[in-house]
Amino acid sequence: DAKTTQPNSMESNEEEPVHLPCNHSTISGTDYIHWYRQLPSQGPEYVIHGLTSNVNNRMASLAIAEDRKSSTLILHRATLRDAAVYYCIPGGYNFNKFYFGSGTKLNVKP
Amino acid sequence: EAGVAQSPRYKIIEKRQSVAFWCNPISGHATLYWYQQILGQGPKLLIQFQNNGVVDDSQLPKDRFSAERLKGVDSTLKIQPAKLEDSAVYLCASSYLAGELDEQFFGPGTRLTVL
Repeated sequence: DAKTTQPNSMESNEEEPVHLPCNHSTISGTDYIHWYRQLPSQGPEYVIHGLTSNVNNRMASLAIAEDRKSSTLILHRATLRDAAVYYCIPGGYNFNKFYFGSGTKLNVKP
Repeated sequence: EAGVAQSPRYKIIEKRQSVAFWCNPISGHATLYWYQQILGQGPKLLIQFQNNGVVDDSQLPKDRFSAERLKGVDSTLKIQPAKLEDSAVYLCASSYLAGELDEQFFGPGTRLTVL
């Protein structure tokens, strides 16, 4: 199973961009890269996913390295509501391989 | 659209007692998942249902954990007997289909404390 390396924690100022890195050097060629986040006392929620090309949605952007061994989740303007644990998940087809890891705890300062 | 519902939200029991958790997925979602999240860790998948059939339960400790999904809608997860290490948040999630690219929607979880 592809495992990930993420910083334990990061800090950002409100309304500034945030770049959350993830290393997944053992990712297989068919695995997508998923990002979920978990707000305090809530279940995780989907953020974004991609395979090779960079992806954008209303919540964030996902930049994927050309060799796919790393990716970066970009929050363009952090808000206090973005304070959460962010999980990078190289996913196989079966969710028993959907390994959340420990994630990065993002703290947003006003 | 109503989200994934779980109950109870909190449960405190003593070791060797039994406990059950209930989950009502989003209407129309065929796939239902139960996760265990120990404090400070990410969620770990315990079991996955497709309609009322089990797709994967390879990480479910079957000597004490059981789960069912009657009529392909609601689901219950049971622990009998509970151990101290079962203290965790139990998350239920659902998705429309079972594919990797299908977004999972999570409930708020049930926080279990075993004394």
